[in-house]
Amino acid sequence: KNQVEQSPQSLIILEGKNCTLQCNYTVSPFSNLRWYKQDTGRGPVSLTIMTFSENTKSNGRYTATLDADTKQSSLHITASQLSDSASYICVVRGDSNYQLIWGAGTKLIIKP
Amino acid sequence: DVKVTQSSRYLVKRTGEKVFLECVQDMDHENMFWYRQDPGLGLRLIYFSYDVKMKEKGDIPEGYSVSREKKERFSLILESASTNQTSMYLCASSFSDRGRIGYTFGSGTRLTVV
Repeated sequence: KNQVEQSPQSLIILEGKNCTLQCNYTVSPFSNLRWYKQDTGRGPVSLTIMTFSENTKSNGRYTATLDADTKQSSLHITASQLSDSASYICVVRGDSNYQLIWGAGTKLIIKP
Repeated sequence: DVKVTQSSRYLVKRTGEKVFLECVQDMDHENMFWYRQDPGLGLRLIYFSYDVKMKEKGDIPEGYSVSREKKERFSLILESASTNQTSMYLCASSFSDRGRIGYTFGSGTRLTVV
């Protein structure tokens, strides 16, 4: 069964600290993997899209990694800011343009 | 920037009412989607449309229908609202650029059925 699992479910860190969010997937065949940021009460916004051949991709203070062999991805946030408080969702695209498998997200809270 | 606009941020409806959720996008995207989002679950696809008057069932279409009469507008219809349809509803549209599909989401409609 195609699944995307994220950990931890929630995370609280102090402003300025780094953190890493994990995503494991069993989607096959695999097309790409995306990380979205969703602020409370808003729709998800794309952070990165990674294909099979990409191991690392950065977007500002966000760095995503992908290990297609072990079917794992991580999102690393450097020097966290209060505005990073949000849910971070891992999404894997399967073999059609419309098949997206969504993780349940990690709720990140940055404390001052 | 692409804008996907959902007509209502919050709605409260009674059980058995017919409910219309409207979504409009302004960038001529071919594909549009309706998802629902519930705590602890990933987004679940209800219906999608890849062209005017075309629609496809997603993972959880039961109790819903859709309408795409114009390219920019995709409506989700709850024929007879039930309490288990209380949820956050998200509309999205997508484009394809050299094989990469980019999705843009609306801000969501939080529907409460009482």
